[in-house]
Parts: sequence; structure tokens; C-alpha cells
Amino acid sequence: EIVLTQSPATLSLSPGERATLSCRASESVSSYLAWFQQKPGQAPRLLIYDVYNRATGIPARFSGSGSRTDFTLTISSLEPEDFAVYYCQQRYIWPLTFGGGTKVEIK
Amino acid sequence: QLRLVESGGGVVLPGRSLRLSCAASGFSFNIFSMHWVRQAPGRGLEWVAVISYDGDKEYYGDSVRGRFTISRDNSKNTIYLQMNSLRGEDTAVYYCSRGSDRSLSDGMDVWGQGTTVTVSS
Repeated sequence: EIVLTQSPATLSLSPGERATLSCRASESVSSYLAWFQQKPGQAPRLLIYDVYNRATGIPARFSGSGSRTDFTLTISSLEPEDFAVYYCQQRYIWPLTFGGGTKVEIK
Repeated sequence: QLRLVESGGGVVLPGRSLRLSCAASGFSFNIFSMHWVRQAPGRGLEWVAVISYDGDKEYYGDSVRGRFTISRDNSKNTIYLQMNSLRGEDTAVYYCSRGSDRSLSDGMDVWGQGTTVTVSS
């Protein structure tokens, strides 16, 4: 199965700062990479699909980039509601897999 | 209003079985694939299974293949997860999620609130 490695495990930032999250795949996933946000006690929420497409209702401060094995989720200016855990996920090869997550916490 | 509601979770002995349900509303259920995803306590997300819009195709995660079965009843707008030979490592919150009307692997844009399964003696 494809292993997705996310870094860093924890990102400590202040509101208004830029967040850059990384996801590296053990082999190419082409452009079939998504990002999810999860807050404590809540279900995950789809943010980005197929590398750079924002899901319905997702603010423009969230953007995705990358290809093949290296991907990035950028939050241009952190809002208080953005502090959460973020997961990448590939849908290129079965079984679908998620990364281990990056926690974005308030500094 | 798009909605997914899971049910059927509970405490079960190792080796026993449990069936989860997920009732959908607010969209054309019979044209979408559907997923199950789980999350063990304090851990990350793990994809479990997917079923095609018509129930003809299914795929499973490595850790559940051969023990879990996903199915659907389009007349009831419901999917199911039959879990057999349960183990302690199956303890998790189980979420259902809407797939896609285009491809089997796409989607996960709508999620339920989850149902908790605890496997323990």
C-alpha cells in the first residue's frame, strides 16, 4: 500500500501566520491527493481534492500544490478556527490511505 | 440538507460480530459510492471500505479484508458494515462518508458524526 508521511507532526503558529504542511508519498499518486481538516470531537472535513481543487465552501486561504510524491497544503493566514489536525489522503491506488496527520496548534 | 447518520455501535466481545448502518438523506443516494472510515482512540484516520453506487463493486483496507463486508440498500438509502471476527484493534469511531457520482475512489465530501465500536472482554 502507499504510505503517506506528513510533516511536521506539530506546527505551532500564531493567528495571521502562514502555515505550510507537507505530505510525501512512498510512490507516485499522480494528482489524486486530498486534504482533510479535523477538529476535536468532530468528523473530518474535505478541504482540497485532486491536489489543488477547493471543496465547496472552503475559503481561498486554503491552497494545495504538488505532484507525484510531494504535496503541500498552505493556509495563507491562519484564522482562529483553522487550528486543527490536517490529513492528506491518496486515491490513486487501492487501498486508499491517509497520512498520519499534522496538528496545527496555537503558539 | 445533506445528512449521514451512523448507528449500531457498541461494546462487543473479541471474536464476535456487529453490523453498522449509515442512513443518508438530502441527496440522490443511488448514484453515489459510499465509504467507511475509522479512527482508533487518539489515532489518525484509516480508510475501511467503499461500495459502488449500485453495490456491484467493493474494495477493502488490508486490515479488514476477509472479515468486514460493506453493502447497501438503495431502497432504504442506507449502507451497512458487517464486522465479523472482531479484534481489539478494531476499536474505533466508524464514520460513513459520501463518495462520488463519477468514480469509486473519489469523494468523501460529506461525513456522518460517527458511531463508536469498542471490542473488549
